[in-house]
Amino acid sequence: GAGVSQSPSNKVTEKGKDVELRCDPISGHTALYWYRQSLGQGLEFLIYFQGNSAPDKSGLPSDRFSAERTGGSVSTLTIQRTQQEDSAVYLCASSRGRTNEKLFFGSGTQLSVL
Amino acid sequence: RKEVEQDPGPFNVPEGATVAFNCTYSNSASQSFFWYRQDCRKEPKLLMSVYSSGNEDGRFTAQLNRASQYISLLIRDSKLSDSATYLCVGTGTASKLTFGTGTRLQVTL
Repeated sequence: GAGVSQSPSNKVTEKGKDVELRCDPISGHTALYWYRQSLGQGLEFLIYFQGNSAPDKSGLPSDRFSAERTGGSVSTLTIQRTQQEDSAVYLCASSRGRTNEKLFFGSGTQLSVL
Repeated sequence: RKEVEQDPGPFNVPEGATVAFNCTYSNSASQSFFWYRQDCRKEPKLLMSVYSSGNEDGRFTAQLNRASQYISLLIRDSKLSDSATYLCVGTGTASKLTFGTGTRLQVTL
């Protein structure tokens, strides 16, 4: 498909476990964002990758959260030692990275920490 | 101060009404602005870009006021299907896009 793909669509895990969420951006898109959204709340920025530049990690809520982007394409968001407050929808979005370029979102990963 | 701020609403309007949302931004260097629409439990989708000269798409009009640092979205002849959360977005440093928390619109019969 031509859109942003995220997997898994749903993830249920136990408190304390590590999880990995994957994002496949649209081919050729240099900018990639991760957001988190709790039920009824706005988008919470987590991390931003732009080409080969150092990522903007200013939104990561704690050192349990990390993300990488391999080869300028696929990105993985890792949450270590998950807590119940990590439960949310994790959204990935990509764009061509230039001014005036719109974001395309994946359908998200619903993470539930029991 | 948040980079992009919106009134969370909800705005409850009857069908056929005209409704307007404003969104303020703090970074005077912001160059690009957008309005996104998000339906319940769905991902945000682009509604329209906001150009300096204004932008109209059917019942929707978006405008930018750089002097006062706000963008607006006007919806005319509201439909039930317009009920959603409307997110404004602006660019900051390194072209990073920053979202407001959204304004919820509920159109009723």
